[in-house]
Amino acid sequence: GAGVSQSPSNKVTEKGKDVELRCDPISGHTALYWYRQRLGQGLEFLIYFQGNSAPDKSGLPSDRFSAERTGESVSTLTIQRTQQEDSAVYLCASSGPPLGALDTQYFGPGTRLTVL
Amino acid sequence: LAKTTQPISMDSYEGQEVNITCSHNNIATNDYITWYQQFPSQGPRFIIQGYKTKVTNEVASLFIPADRKSSTLSLPRVSLSDTAVYYCLVGDFGSNDYKLSFGAGTTVTVRA
Repeated sequence: GAGVSQSPSNKVTEKGKDVELRCDPISGHTALYWYRQRLGQGLEFLIYFQGNSAPDKSGLPSDRFSAERTGESVSTLTIQRTQQEDSAVYLCASSGPPLGALDTQYFGPGTRLTVL
Repeated sequence: LAKTTQPISMDSYEGQEVNITCSHNNIATNDYITWYQQFPSQGPRFIIQGYKTKVTNEVASLFIPADRKSSTLSLPRVSLSDTAVYYCLVGDFGSNDYKLSFGAGTTVTVRA
């Protein structure tokens, strides 16, 4: 696609429910990243995929968070038993094959998650 | 990843030049300096990247002194639409150094 897309753009859920957030990266980009941004704060790294593999999941805040990527394309971030502190904008980014120091990340518009 | 320090906020007026300095005292030899811009309700957008001296593109200039312990993003003749948060990142993007830390960034407010 022309850019990174994310869905839904907004999600309101009740505490304790599970949610799935989707990211469609730029076609051909091998690397995919998930970040979380709380209101008025910087971005918090969550997880990185190279192809379909996630070499390091240590950025995920708890075991309620999981992510997968299939076909070296679409990625889904799942939050189980949502809590109010999960409310944030979840951003996805992708980048092309490693280009050395020129590995620019392209961000999607984010999914705004509100847990009531 | 090298830790970066930048001002929390800066105010400016239309037509002025805005300079944002980022400190990165423990920058490593293979590290590059990258700046991103984030408008409200949008994801960050790459602005500029450099290793040393000066880099210029259609959006901004990046000045890096010889010791590379700091860098300055220069936005020439800003307009209201340049109001955004600007993030300074330092990392060796050629390695598996993927845990980019965006921090709180610098909120630039441009007034008429």
